[in-house]
Amino acid sequence: QQQVKQSPQSLIVQKGGISIINCAYENTAFDYFPWYQQFPGKGPALLIAIRPDVSEKKEGRFTISFNKSAKQFSLHIMDSQPGDSATYFCAASIDAGNMLTFGGGTRLMVKP
Amino acid sequence: EAGVAQSPRYKIIEKRQSVAFWCNPISGHATLYWYQQILGQGPKLLIQFQNNGVVDDSQLPKDRFSAERLKGVDSTLKIQPAKLEDSAVYLCASSLFHGGRYGYTFGSGTRLTVV
Repeated sequence: QQQVKQSPQSLIVQKGGISIINCAYENTAFDYFPWYQQFPGKGPALLIAIRPDVSEKKEGRFTISFNKSAKQFSLHIMDSQPGDSATYFCAASIDAGNMLTFGGGTRLMVKP
Repeated sequence: EAGVAQSPRYKIIEKRQSVAFWCNPISGHATLYWYQQILGQGPKLLIQFQNNGVVDDSQLPKDRFSAERLKGVDSTLKIQPAKLEDSAVYLCASSLFHGGRYGYTFGSGTRLTVV
């Protein structure tokens, strides 16, 4: 059973645009929602994470929006740059980061 | 600090052969994870260690997969015998605290191709 659904599978954005990736989860026991960035040939790297007691978290050009009632969260990348081209994974877990369940991934391409 | 080291980077084997992967976590990280990432999918947890004890191995196909973490540091993941569907990238990750509340650090993975 896929517990974290991610969309879209792929995304093309112009340089300077906003990239938006969405995730939905089913297990209401999840209490930690990180986003990971993965470049080809590398392991995923933690980008930003949120707990369900806040609705938004911003770090530089990256923002997580969280809707607990809808069981959805999203990643917004402002002023997208070609260097942001990578695969992004949302994830969720119980007990703040333990045993992550990953979404299927979104391949982002930022065109110059 | 040094990252999570994994070897080999690539491995090609025939089905029914055996293979082993090695992981050296970041120094001092008590928790170690093995994930399987099939092409085009998100990583899927196989096993989690806390020091040298297994915390969760519910998703490890125990009829063919085994893993150990001797002395609570390095870990090896073994597949015997391999099947075609085992073709994937095997990622090792470690975290400082149980629960990974400060995030995991992943290695670059071992890409396994079973032919």
